[in-house]
Amino acid sequence: EPEVTQTPSHQVTQMGQEVILRCVPISNHLYFYWYRQILGQKVEFLVSFYNNEISEKSEIFDDQFSVERPDGSNFTLKIRSTKLEDSAMYFCASVSSSYNEQFFGPGTRLTVL
Amino acid sequence: TQLLEQSPQFLSIQEGENLTVYCNSSSVFSSLQWYRQEPGEGPVLLVTVVTGGEVKKLKRLTFQFGDARKDSSLHITAAQPGDTGLYLCAGSYTGTASKLTFGTGTRLQVTL
Repeated sequence: EPEVTQTPSHQVTQMGQEVILRCVPISNHLYFYWYRQILGQKVEFLVSFYNNEISEKSEIFDDQFSVERPDGSNFTLKIRSTKLEDSAMYFCASVSSSYNEQFFGPGTRLTVL
Repeated sequence: TQLLEQSPQFLSIQEGENLTVYCNSSSVFSSLQWYRQEPGEGPVLLVTVVTGGEVKKLKRLTFQFGDARKDSSLHITAAQPGDTGLYLCAGSYTGTASKLTFGTGTRLQVTL
């Protein structure tokens, strides 16, 4: 069964460093998302991406964040200068159908020291 | 900002008992999903409901969407220890492929 994959599973970085989180969505899906979940809190929407451009972004998704689909399979989230408060699980999701069934990847745990 | 409330937050029951989890919003959903999440893992999609009054069954799990599409419930019959986990409802308010707003979740523990 097709699934969303994410790498790395765990990323540890120093404050101020750049990180790139990678996702491979399900192959025939057209809409892509990043969410994050701070430990013990709700899953929060960051950004949605369709047709090679951002379709919606949240207040969290400031100038330090960017997304890219560099080729036909990968979807990346870049944080330019990480802050302590960026520590969280980051989930990628993708959708194919009109019923908005979003399938999530296993997540990347980002720890900023 | 749409808020999506789940209740109860925590539920501890014994094997064989029935339970119901609720998800409520002040706004109308265009669609609503229920997910289950294990610690350190991503949410796993259980079901999507779209039509007001819709009922879907997944083995011992029954999902209901309110007539006004503002609320939903998840009922588990004869709970088993394997049902232990975090159950999340997530709704979209604005149509095709829009962002999901998640509830805070219901943490269920089923003991022998």
